[in-house]
Amino acid sequence: SQQGEEDPQALSIQEGENATMNCSYKTSINNLQWYRQNSGRGLVHLILIRSNEREKHSGRLRVTLDTSKKSSSLLITASRAADTASYFCAPCNAGNNRKLIWGLGTSLAVNP
Amino acid sequence: DTAVSQTPKYLVTQMGNDKSIKCEQNLGHDTMYWYKQDSKKFLKIMFSYNNKELIINETVPNRFSPKSPDKAHLNLHINSLELGDSAVYFCASSQTPEEKLFFGSGTQLSVL
Repeated sequence: SQQGEEDPQALSIQEGENATMNCSYKTSINNLQWYRQNSGRGLVHLILIRSNEREKHSGRLRVTLDTSKKSSSLLITASRAADTASYFCAPCNAGNNRKLIWGLGTSLAVNP
Repeated sequence: DTAVSQTPKYLVTQMGNDKSIKCEQNLGHDTMYWYKQDSKKFLKIMFSYNNKELIINETVPNRFSPKSPDKAHLNLHINSLELGDSAVYFCASSQTPEEKLFFGSGTQLSVL
């Protein structure tokens, strides 16, 4: 399979808690991107982390990348009800075949 | 102004019909895409154009034909619609294939 794989498939937490989502992939990558999709909407880019980076922050989001394990994680701190959405990781193939590889996402529910 | 806009938002049609979905981006990007998202939220790339040239053409029935009149537009024409074509279709754009994608809000296609 060429898919990126997110884990868990579904996550339910209370407001204020942290949410951690994991992603594994199989190929060599240029970068890895995380996206959010609210119900009935298009995907929105969150963070891009390059293959030579190990950690990146953006507001309440923290992304890590371990290329030796071919894995990444997305941490959302102090979650809010508005963070309820599906989250997708998309590794970008290295080499000539540069395209994003998508999984099924993690469905996050943040309960007020 | 909407960065990536696609029309229509909803499309309900009978089997065997031909339909088109239009997409326009005002970001000045060189690369545009069509994705199909099924009911399980799996996002599958269908086509990618770079400066009006087709660069990715995944295994998609030849009933699907993309057309790029200029680098700001990428339309999708579907002939002889089938029940299995029912899905949400997303247009997206990026400056280069490995940079972040900007998605349209999607077209929900229902084939009856």
